[in-house]
Amino acid sequence: TQLTQSPSSLSASVGDRVTITCRASQAINSYLVWYQQKPGKAPKVLMHSASTLQSGVPSRFSGSGSGTDFTLTISSLQPEDYATYFCQQLNTYPVTFGGGTKVEIK
Amino acid sequence: QVQLQQWGTGLLKPSETLSLTCAVYGGSLSTYYWSWIRQFPGKGLEWIGEINQGGNTNYNPSLKGRVTISVDASKNQFSLKLISVTAADTAVYYCARYTWLSAIFMHDYWGQGTLVTVPS
Repeated sequence: TQLTQSPSSLSASVGDRVTITCRASQAINSYLVWYQQKPGKAPKVLMHSASTLQSGVPSRFSGSGSGTDFTLTISSLQPEDYATYFCQQLNTYPVTFGGGTKVEIK
Repeated sequence: QVQLQQWGTGLLKPSETLSLTCAVYGGSLSTYYWSWIRQFPGKGLEWIGEINQGGNTNYNPSLKGRVTISVDASKNQFSLKLISVTAADTAVYYCARYTWLSAIFMHDYWGQGTLVTVPS
């Protein structure tokens, strides 16, 4: 199952609302995970089951969608949110990832 | 707190075998699947495969039979072997725990990553 993320990069200011989309080539129910990755570090889970916030993740992050179209939203971008974000599907083998969205400082 | 610590050879020549091991601390291998994932220099992520304590495996077909994942439950470790490496296998390799309990599916714990370089 191919995952297409958009945009591949974006520039935003602190306090901005940011939306990242992930589209699957076939329906994946809600078996979608969002990860955040900072330079030199392993990915970290933000959201699982498409819309369930992982424990310890700030509530400014939210996820939505099911089937083939999914969205990750950061309601008010903070300095520590500058990172790369990936979606991942776990509905069918092989597990696949989106190409990533790099969020940069404007 | 679960921790994954990985190690292995970082520089290989073409046609050699990549070998990495991941030790699990603070938890048992049982119940979960244990995965290998790699990240290419352009930052794309690729799932390599997974294994459970019983030795059941799933692999990415893209690796065309070059990959073997094994487990040593007595040491709480699992390993990755990738044969006949080429420059295209240059990547950071991560081990990770795959949680699939109570209808929650995710890779929730990751190793620190190992850069494997295969010069062309």
